[in-house]
Amino acid sequence: NAGVTQTPKFQVLKTGQSMTLQCAQDMNHNSMYWYRQDPGMGLRLIYYSASEGTTDKGEVPNGYNVSRLNKREFSLRLESAAPSQTSVYFCASSRHRDQSYEQYFGPGTRLTVT
Amino acid sequence: AQSVAQPEDQVNVAEGNPLTVKCTYSVSGNPYLFWYVQYPNRGLQFLLKYITGDNLVKGSYGFEAEFNKSQTSFHLKKPSALVSDSALYFCAVTHSGNTPLVFGKGTRLSVIA
Repeated sequence: NAGVTQTPKFQVLKTGQSMTLQCAQDMNHNSMYWYRQDPGMGLRLIYYSASEGTTDKGEVPNGYNVSRLNKREFSLRLESAAPSQTSVYFCASSRHRDQSYEQYFGPGTRLTVT
Repeated sequence: AQSVAQPEDQVNVAEGNPLTVKCTYSVSGNPYLFWYVQYPNRGLQFLLKYITGDNLVKGSYGFEAEFNKSQTSFHLKKPSALVSDSALYFCAVTHSGNTPLVFGKGTRLSVIA
């Protein structure tokens, strides 16, 4: 039982390049989330998927797109990377029903855009 | 809208002393409250939650938290701090429904030997 896995762990991009961050969970959770973490800013929600087939914008969605590929997988795409997107990205999942709302986090992807 | 405030960026405590990390919240309806811990270069780990029931909830690693509805607070506590408790702590809130957790900005706990 791996929990939440993310790939890659580290990535360096040049401004304007694109990339996709992958996330998968094996806990049969309904909801999945993408956050970015910046010093002094806490965790900010980028996008989330309350259930398979649905996605919604969070607090900071500009410059990102997401795909809920199936119940297990939720990817985050940067179409044209900018230095402001340098951050640590975390994927999380939760059952989000029946009083089980806690989220479980992956290990993170450290992205640098030069 | 829901929000969480962690009023202290940094908390310092001596090993063996009790520790408290503060959290206040604002939410429409009944709050569901959570604490997470983050060690360096790691993801967040779930510590404990309050959904309903007893106001004092116990979690992992000897941590506990007290829900206080009148003060809209959910402070994290531990009777005797360990150096290994040094980490970044996040409080989070949601309410029933499909609303994601909203996180505070985090409090860095430093336990000094």
